[in-house]
Amino acid sequence: QQQVKQSPQSLIVQKGGISIINCAYENTAFDYFPWYQQFPGKGPALLIAIRPDVSEKKEGRFTISFNKSAKQFSLHIMDSQPGDSATYFCAASPENYGGSQGNLIFGKGTKLSVKP
Amino acid sequence: NAGVMQNPRHLVRRRGQEARLRCSPMKGHSHVYWYRQLPEEGLKFMVYLQKENIIDESGMPKERFSAEFPKEGPSILRIQQVVRGDSAAYFCASSRWGQETQYFGPGTRLLVL
Repeated sequence: QQQVKQSPQSLIVQKGGISIINCAYENTAFDYFPWYQQFPGKGPALLIAIRPDVSEKKEGRFTISFNKSAKQFSLHIMDSQPGDSATYFCAASPENYGGSQGNLIFGKGTKLSVKP
Repeated sequence: NAGVMQNPRHLVRRRGQEARLRCSPMKGHSHVYWYRQLPEEGLKFMVYLQKENIIDESGMPKERFSAEFPKEGPSILRIQQVVRGDSAAYFCASSRWGQETQYFGPGTRLLVL
């Protein structure tokens, strides 16, 4: 119930194409869903995040689509670039500890490779 | 404005030794989280601390692992009597009270020989 399932494990996209990564969860207590980008040897960096009260959020080339009834959310990267090649993690946070978000439950990651 | 700082960046220990990992949160952040990442895996939550308090340690192994975040100084993750299975990247994240965003440090890569 605490898991976040992420797919695909790896993804190869041509430059200019759309990259789509999907995640699913079961715990209805999750109320915060961020996506992180990680380059080799670095720490994860927040890309974009969403709460269940909206179905879509867009920031530049990155869009999160959220389906509360299906308990699924996805990351779309438009006009993918070679510099986007990294590992992407979805995550969910189960509850709010009286003023601050609790721990993040991460998916296993998707290794994205954008070919020039 | 410095980000989350972790040291050392790389740590090599022999089986049975102790490992101490340090994390300095971003300025103004009073919440620290520790995560462990095994090769080709996602990050697994270990412990959530505020100054002088452990809020959630549900992800910490019951033995050999401990964490603290004192009133002054960095947060410390301590692993006693390390074993090869402890080899991993350990990341710390920090957040400000009332905000959900967790900012991650560069990690400490622990190798147990």
